[in-house]
Amino acid sequence: DGGITQSPKYLFRKEGQNVTLSCEQNLNHDAMYWYRQDPGQGLRLIYYSQIVNDFQKGDIAEGYSVSREKKESFPLTVTSAQKNPTAFYLCASSGGEGAWTNVLTFGAGSRLTVL
Amino acid sequence: QKEVEQNSGPLSVPEGAIASLNCTYSDRGSQSFFWYRQYSGKSPELIMFIYSNGDKEDGRFTAQLNKASQYVSLLIRDSQPSDSATYLCAVISGGSYIPTFGRGTSLIVHP
Repeated sequence: DGGITQSPKYLFRKEGQNVTLSCEQNLNHDAMYWYRQDPGQGLRLIYYSQIVNDFQKGDIAEGYSVSREKKESFPLTVTSAQKNPTAFYLCASSGGEGAWTNVLTFGAGSRLTVL
Repeated sequence: QKEVEQNSGPLSVPEGAIASLNCTYSDRGSQSFFWYRQYSGKSPELIMFIYSNGDKEDGRFTAQLNKASQYVSLLIRDSQPSDSATYLCAVISGGSYIPTFGRGTSLIVHP
């Protein structure tokens, strides 16, 4: 079955550590996204990528970094510069046919907690 | 700043009633509108999308779009307890492919 796999599902980070969240898709979608969700909040865009080796900052990119070396993969690194990283992180992709082009398919999410 | 506004709720309706969820947006050039459902602790999943003014029906769900008034709504008929979730409205402006999300409306359907 096609879909998006995020790992790990739960992650704990000590202050000052960098952590990397994995996102892999087998939907053959061109565009991939990372969103952050805080309790009672909507989704805020961190980074997005439309093609391999190219990505753009979203609304809250500070303290995060990404890479897009393969079409299928879009990992997110939460650096020590991100002062309040505790949140639910969602990876998504889009690129379906016709009217479905801009529909987002989400992974199951990664919940990061800072100790 | 493109804004998408939703009443955070919770909206509480009895089982079998019609639930009406509303969303307004600031960018008059918006072209594409989506409703996603998110259960607690889970990731969002698509309910419906709508691109043209008017109504679009899919089973118990109806999306209504009024571009002149800049709002989009989602009606859920014969609401079930399993419909209890947060409903996220997402809007894409013309010339873009990046959706802007509202904060979501929490719906509670009580037996």
